[in-house]
Amino acid sequence: DVKVTQSSRYLVKRTGEKVFLECVQDMDHENMFWYRQDPGLGLRLIYFSYDVKMKEKGDIPEGYSVSREKKERFSLILESASTNQTSMYLCASSSPGFSGANVLTFGAGSRLTVL
Amino acid sequence: GIQVEQSPPDLILQEGANSTLRCNFSDSVNNLQWFHQNPWGQLINLFYIPSGTKQNGRLSATTVATERYSLLYISSSQTTDSGVYFCAVEGYGNNRLAFGKGNQVVVIP
Repeated sequence: DVKVTQSSRYLVKRTGEKVFLECVQDMDHENMFWYRQDPGLGLRLIYFSYDVKMKEKGDIPEGYSVSREKKERFSLILESASTNQTSMYLCASSSPGFSGANVLTFGAGSRLTVL
Repeated sequence: GIQVEQSPPDLILQEGANSTLRCNFSDSVNNLQWFHQNPWGQLINLFYIPSGTKQNGRLSATTVATERYSLLYISSSQTTDSGVYFCAVEGYGNNRLAFGKGNQVVVIP
């Protein structure tokens, strides 16, 4: 089974701090994604990557950046955390495979609180 | 972008009951997935079903692509079925999944 591991399950940070959320997958998937989940809003795509050193903006990239230096690792960076970035962050990976479609596998999530 | 609407938003079931969750989408899709998020936040892929019907135990799903909707059936519900069910779709040439807001399901013993 594909395993997607997010480094921190719960984090508490202060406004203005730089925050790193790490995600590692162990099945050689090409594609990796960062979503945030907020009550009543579902999942919204922040950034995604289809290859090493490649990134594309999702629907809500403002205030975030990403890094993909190795195929298995995709990092989400909050340069200066703000209270409106308090949320659940979900990492996912996929490989087109036989169907050619992105069938996502998610990590357990990182719940970030910014004070 | 493609719009995804799920109904009903909230559902309370007695254990053993059956239910149907609906996902409507606004454009043609080449990818549709159903996910279950358990109370601890873990999202599990239930079905990849851009068209047709699939079954997995007490769960089944049907997508009618020409009419732009998908249904998820839960039969003989159990308390472990509680959580949020998400429908996610990808339009042609879009390269990303758009999620609905989910169906919150609570199964009471």
